[in-house]
Order: sequence, then structure tokens, then C-alpha cells
Amino acid sequence: DIHMTQSPSSLSASIGDRVTITCQASQGIVSSLNWHQVKPGKAPKIIISGASHLEPGVPSRFSGRGGGTHFTFTISSLQPEDIATYYCQQSDNLPPTFGGGTRVE
Amino acid sequence: QVQLQESGPGVVKPSETLFLTCSVSGNSVASDYWSWIRQSPGKGLEWIGYISLTGNANYNPSLWGRVTISRDTSQNQFSLKLTSVTPADTAVYYCARGKATPGPWGQGTLVRVSS
Repeated sequence: DIHMTQSPSSLSASIGDRVTITCQASQGIVSSLNWHQVKPGKAPKIIISGASHLEPGVPSRFSGRGGGTHFTFTISSLQPEDIATYYCQQSDNLPPTFGGGTRVE
Repeated sequence: QVQLQESGPGVVKPSETLFLTCSVSGNSVASDYWSWIRQSPGKGLEWIGYISLTGNANYNPSLWGRVTISRDTSQNQFSLKLTSVTPADTAVYYCARGKATPGPWGQGTLVRVSS
């Protein structure tokens, strides 16, 4: 299985701050990398697919970049509704695997 | 707009079988891939498996032999069966559209394995 290493595991930020999360794959996955937002009691939501493609309806303050083994996820200006845990996930090989998550608070 | 909703018992006894159903609206289960994913308390997300638009299934090797994913096109639902459960199978179980890029997801249902 491809192992996904995500950092940091948690971060504290203020509203308006720029937030960046990194994700490293144990082997090359081209651009087959997705980012998901998980809030307690709510349906998780896919934010970015294919490393940098913003899903329909997702605000433009979210962005992703990278390829191969190294990826980043950025919130350009943190909003109150962005408080959540974010997970990277590779879709290049089965089984799909997730990073350990980054709690944004 | 595709929406998914999981249903099933909240508690299952050890060694018994867990059975969950995902009801889909806004799309046909016969026209796409559908997955199950779980999150154990305090742990990360684990992909369980998917069922394809042709009805073939693929499972995480970590659960091989215990898991079956099936579908009922007349009810527009797909299901998860997990046998011989242990407390380690306690988790929030999510259903989602997609094979390896899940989305949208259901809200999830908590299943506790306890006697």
C-alpha cells in the first residue's frame, strides 16, 4: 500500500491567516491526490481532486499543488467555516489510502 | 445532486456480522462506482472497498475474506457486509460515490462492536 504522510497533525490559526498543509507519498502518484474536509457529524466533502482541481462550489481560497510524491494544500484566508480536519488521499493505486489528517483549529 | 445516506444497527456483538445499507438519490447505482470507507475512533480513514457499475467488487486486502459489497438496483442501494466483527471494527462507516476518488460522501453512521 502507498503510505501518505501528512503534516502538521494539527495547527492553530487565526481568521484571515494563510494555512498550508503538506502531504508526502511513499512512492510517486503523479497527480492522483485528493483533499477532503471532515467536520464532526457532517458528511465529509471532497475539496480538491487531481492535486489541483477545485471541486464545483468550493471557494477559491482553497488551492492545491504538487506532483510525484510531494503535495501542498493551502487556504489563502482562513474563514470560521473552514475549521475542520483535512485529509489527503491518493487515488493512483488500489487500495486508496489517506494521510493521518490535519486538524485546523 | 447526488445524496447518500447510510443506515444500519448502531451496535453489533463480537463475532457477529455487520450489515449496512447506503441509499442513493440523484444517481443510479447501476451507472457509477460506489465505495465504503470507515474511520475508527481516534484513527484515520480506511478505504473498505467499492462496487463497480457492472456489479463487480474490489476490497481492501486488510479486510479480505470478511467483507462483501453488493447492490440492489431496484432499491437504488448498495450494502456492506462485514463478518466476524471485533471491537477493532468499531468505527464511523461512510458510503461515497466513486472508485478511488470518493465524493460526495454520506454523513456516516457509527457502529460499535460490543457485547
